[in-house]
Parts: sequence; structure tokens; C-alpha cells
Amino acid sequence: KAGVTQTPRYLIKTRGQQVTLSCSPISGHRSVSWYQQTPGQGLQFLFEYFSETQRNKGNFPGRFSGRQFSNSRSEMNVSTLELGDSALYLCASRTGQGPSYEQYFGPGTRLTVT
Amino acid sequence: AQSVTQLGSHVSVSEGALVLLRCNYSSSVPPYLFWYVQYPNQGLQLLLKYTSAATLVKGINGFEAEFKKSETSFHLTKPSAHMSDAAEYFCAVSEQAGTALIFGKGTTLSVSS
Repeated sequence: KAGVTQTPRYLIKTRGQQVTLSCSPISGHRSVSWYQQTPGQGLQFLFEYFSETQRNKGNFPGRFSGRQFSNSRSEMNVSTLELGDSALYLCASRTGQGPSYEQYFGPGTRLTVT
Repeated sequence: AQSVTQLGSHVSVSEGALVLLRCNYSSSVPPYLFWYVQYPNQGLQLLLKYTSAATLVKGINGFEAEFKKSETSFHLTKPSAHMSDAAEYFCAVSEQAGTALIFGKGTTLSVSS
């Protein structure tokens, strides 16, 4: 079974621009979560989608948004990019909700904001 | 709020030596705990998870972890380190609502020959 895929793998943007990242979950997984990884803050939860509905959101500004499509694929959008948004963005999927369901991560999208 | 503390941001061992990576959690209820590994320029790979079925959990690549409620710990061990084990390791707890993972800061494992 194919793993979680994320596109693009690398991205360079300029301050003030917006960016859209894409995630395709493992087949059959209905839940998709997004995490931001930076050297200073570590791994931080952005949001989770399940059956096209946002179920939970982390402590990030409204510039960070996402959505999920009927085929469970998800996109994450960051508007008005800031230098501090430079990070590895990781997508994870799992079969269901609840604390016992492990999350399977994709390789990430490395975003650099200049 | 739940949290995870990983003691030691960097651990160095020799090939063939015991690997011990420490993780302590704070939770008022029985937690769900996970260990992930991240190799350079890659995502996170699940090593093992604790869901209260057994206190000693065996994972992939020869790793195992023991849940100790009295010590609020979930340390990761491997009897004999291999060069390929060099990576960053993250301990995580599933927050109560069951949606987000709360990660520790990570421990970088170096293995020398």
C-alpha cells in the first residue's frame, strides 16, 4: 500500500506571498493532520480533518488554513507568508479518530520563505 | 495540559552498545504514547505505540519501550545499536480529544563505529 505523499517536496517563496501544500493520505485513511516542524519550536500540531470537516485546530494564526476533499486528499494554505513560516510541513493520515489510532507521516514539504 | 519531556537532546553510543532514550509524560489519565524516528530529510516513522494492552511494547528494528506509570516514563531501548539507528527520535502523547499528537523536543542518536 502506498504511503502518505506530499507535494511539492521543496518550495521557495517570498514574504507576503501565499502557498498551497498538498497531501494524499494512505488509501482508506479518512483522517489527515498537518504539523509544522521547526528547529526552535519542534513539532507543532496545525489541524486535523476527518470526512471533510476540521476536527481540531492548533494554536496558529488564521493565515494558516486547510481543507479536505471527498477523496480524503487535503490541502494546506498559508497566506501572507512571513520569514518565520519557514519550516518542514508534515502531513499524517490514519484510519480513524481517537487517541489510539497511530498516525502515518509523509516525507514533508520543506518551505523556505525569503 | 499534557506534555512530553525527552531528557537529553543528544545521545551518543558505540555500535553494539545499549541504546536508552528517555521520555517522561504528564497526563492525568492513562495516556496513549508513541515513539517515532526521523531520518534526515524524511518524515516520521512509527517505531511503536503504547495503548495499555501491555507495559512492555515491542516495535520495529529491535526497539522496545516500557511503560512505567509510577515513574510516568516511557523510555525507548535497543540492546545493540547499529549504525543505521543514527537518527532523531521523538516521543509523543496523544492529547485527550484524540486528534493531536504532542511531541517532545526530540533526541538525536549518534552511533560510532
